Amino acid sequence: DSGVTQTPKHLITATGQRVTLRCSPRSGDLSVYWYQQSLDQGLQFLIQYYNGEERAKGNILERFSAQQFPDLHSELNLSSLELGDSALYFCASSTTGGGNSPLHFGNGTRLTVT
Amino acid sequence: GESVGLHLPTLSVQEGDNSIINCAYSNSASDYFIWYKQESGKGPQFIIDIRSNMDKRQGQRVTVLLNKTVKHLSLQIAATQPGDSAVYFCAERDSSYKLIFGSGTRLLVRP
Repeated sequence: DSGVTQTPKHLITATGQRVTLRCSPRSGDLSVYWYQQSLDQGLQFLIQYYNGEERAKGNILERFSAQQFPDLHSELNLSSLELGDSALYFCASSTTGGGNSPLHFGNGTRLTVT
Repeated sequence: GESVGLHLPTLSVQEGDNSIINCAYSNSASDYFIWYKQESGKGPQFIIDIRSNMDKRQGQRVTVLLNKTVKHLSLQIAATQPGDSAVYFCAERDSSYKLIFGSGTRLLVRP
């Protein structure tokens, strides 16, 4: 068990809808990362927060947004969903924000858009 | 649930043999590297890391080798066991401090 908790585990929704994915980092970790894993693209970095502030941005669509709250949990919001958004979404946390310590991953949220 | 798609390179080894999984990284400025293991239905699990000022690092049954000259990273698993069957990813920290993952290698352990 990595100590990172993601909810829900599974989510099925229709095109055009909006969903929120939630992540609780390991105790003591200040940095949260979101990754998308689809069948044909491996793990794609979306966004990173450190102690409530956005630290780095990857290939995150404008329809997607995230935030990290004062208690350090994070949410990833996906809107105007398309079929191609179906994927596994992973949250990871680390102690530092500079990417020089291991990321510890949750078990992901599997999103299916129908 | 599957972790990644069907088109991964696959390494098949006999139980008890040593495994070597290779990774070519892209950025000569990358200074930190990590190997992850991902089992079906789970998130990537940290195995071992190495900084660019090192060539080799050993853990329990695993060794990571870094060759900066040719931008190559390898993970050696000694006495491979059925529980080692998984997809293995290398990741590099790039110059903007993001951790970028490779495409993965599937390891199959034959009994």
